[in-house]
Amino acid sequence: DTEVTQTPKHLVMGMTNKKSLKCEQHMGHRAMYWYKQKAKKPPELMFVYSYEKLSINESVPSRFSPECPNSSLLNLHLHALQPEDSALYLCASSQVGVSYNEQFFGPGTRLTVL
Amino acid sequence: QKEVEQDPGPLSVPEGAIVSLNCTYSNSAFQYFMWYRQYSRKGPELLMYTYSSGNKEDGRFTAQVDKSSKYISLFIRDSQPSDSATYLCAMSGGKLIFGQGTELSVKP
Repeated sequence: DTEVTQTPKHLVMGMTNKKSLKCEQHMGHRAMYWYKQKAKKPPELMFVYSYEKLSINESVPSRFSPECPNSSLLNLHLHALQPEDSALYLCASSQVGVSYNEQFFGPGTRLTVL
Repeated sequence: QKEVEQDPGPLSVPEGAIVSLNCTYSNSAFQYFMWYRQYSRKGPELLMYTYSSGNKEDGRFTAQVDKSSKYISLFIRDSQPSDSATYLCAMSGGKLIFGQGTELSVKP
């Protein structure tokens, strides 16, 4: 299974809502990533988890809160978002400890903040 | 100056054409060079990767890396409408550094 799955596919939320994005992989990868992608732009790294521990936070606002409950799951909790946070949120996974880390991406969650 | 520069296009070619996509970069420490393909409303998928300088071929796709010029290319032969997508170059320097992406349209 070389698939990264993400739910939901689409999410519309108000600025006062709390919601969560979910990501799952069963490739035995121990690194998982959250990216944000705006239209016609490349993915921007937000967070990296390595062995279920947060290893990189790219100065992301605290209204985004990641969580890695186990080696297969990655969540992104959203609270008090702004309209400019509307984007495609991508999850990816890869091996750890190899020179070349091929990242496998999920299909993304398209988020709209009203 | 961005670490990775890629012409965003859009690029439109007729079916059967040879397509050349290019990126330049500034960090000489990069060792792994990748091309991702992203269809509309989908996540990126890895197309090819190359280690250090040289060429790599996979079917209709050829990736080239010239580290002396800090220049990488992806060639697509006999392009098909199904190749219409955004192509992102990426380099591994601890984390992935992406180019802006080139939007390619192959017309039947």
